[in-house]
Amino acid sequence: DAKTTQPPSMDCAEGRAANLPCNHSTISGNEYVYWYRQIHSQGPQYIIHGLKNNETNEMASLIITEDRKSSTLILPHATLRDTAVYYCLLPPGGGADGLTFGKGTHLIIQP
Amino acid sequence: AAGVIQSPRHLIKEKRETATLKCYPIPRHDTVYWYQQGPGQDPQFLISFYEKMQSDKGSIPDRFSAQQFSDYHSELNMSSLELGDSALYFCASSLTSIAAGETYEQYFGPGTRLTVT
Repeated sequence: DAKTTQPPSMDCAEGRAANLPCNHSTISGNEYVYWYRQIHSQGPQYIIHGLKNNETNEMASLIITEDRKSSTLILPHATLRDTAVYYCLLPPGGGADGLTFGKGTHLIIQP
Repeated sequence: AAGVIQSPRHLIKEKRETATLKCYPIPRHDTVYWYQQGPGQDPQFLISFYEKMQSDKGSIPDRFSAQQFSDYHSELNMSSLELGDSALYFCASSLTSIAAGETYEQYFGPGTRLTVT
């Protein structure tokens, strides 16, 4: 998988927007950006993915820069339950390949 | 909505024993993945199966084997257990379109916590 870089930790106040950055400067033209999160000792949870356009779903928004070398995951109104490790991934195409989890961002939501 | 089911949720084994972990994917999902997460580590991919055939292989030890059955459930067999095998084992499933060359989101189960003493 292409390499991604994320800050090791971030804090955010409850109720505020949490903006999690990810650098992926070596991304290739057909690679999607995927975001997963893992709440302590639970199974990782899919959040959102995108190719080049910004995406939004019920959980989050994904903003991808025009050159696709970086992206930002936005949790619009963070709650305490959003405290988790967030992973930015560039899984290979072809369907049934495993995910490579790097060192994600530990997001701590402060009350 | 139905989720991925893993059993057992907790398992305690002694060194050199064998263990079998089971995974039941989300209905209609055709692909199963196994991951291992040691204490304080990130999940590490072990192996995947698409339509009952091994699809991708990660850092799975030779002592481990897995298969996917006709009903799409999967089992991870672990032999000659070592203390270092103590970990959370996650199964994930997806609905995969191999022909389209796309990667689909994976849905993870709650995990099996294996403790080797």
